[in-house]
Amino acid sequence: KQEVTQIPAALSVPEGENLVLNCSFTDSAIYNLQWFRQDPGKGLTSLLLIQSSQREQTSGRLNASLDKSSGRSTLYIAASQPGDSATYLCAVTSGGTSYGKLTFGQGTILTVHP
Amino acid sequence: GAGVSQSPRYKVAKRGQDVALRCDPISGHVSLFWYQQALGQGPEFLTYFQNEAQLDKSGLPSDRFFAERPEGSVSTLKIQRTQQEDSAVYLCASSPWQTRVPQETQYFGPGTRLLVL
Repeated sequence: KQEVTQIPAALSVPEGENLVLNCSFTDSAIYNLQWFRQDPGKGLTSLLLIQSSQREQTSGRLNASLDKSSGRSTLYIAASQPGDSATYLCAVTSGGTSYGKLTFGQGTILTVHP
Repeated sequence: GAGVSQSPRYKVAKRGQDVALRCDPISGHVSLFWYQQALGQGPEFLTYFQNEAQLDKSGLPSDRFFAERPEGSVSTLKIQRTQQEDSAVYLCASSPWQTRVPQETQYFGPGTRLLVL
């Protein structure tokens, strides 16, 4: 059974800092890995999707890397802003008959203070 | 265009009561997922529909949980005889793809927060 773990559980940083969120998964037979953002009372918004054949994806100040063989991914946020405060979730789509269902980590709660 | 919508947004139920949660996916989306998110946890898969066919219900926690999508569009998640452990946010997601190798993300609704007293 696929298990996804995120470290740290919570992170508080001053505005302007660069930061790294970590995600690990136990079964390397994945189709892809995604990073989502969740704001209180709202649904999930996909930030980056990395296919299993890719090593990284970038969008603006966000960069996500994938090392499938070691079962790890990192989300790098550059020059953090208070608007980045949210819960960040890592999720994988595993192989087999998953029909694309996502297995999520428990999330990292990020607070960026002015 | 319109995203995934869910109703009600909040539901308070007495223990033992039946509840029905509705999901309106993005028009034309073939795939529809339900997830359950307990407080402080990541979402967990409940069930998957491809059009009107329920192809995977392995995540439904008990036979009190039932989901349907009779016309391949709107879906309803029904929980019978609710228990306190059913308290959670129920998220619905849809996607246009139907292959087993998803090429793009799922689009999530805002969720229904269920509190069972």
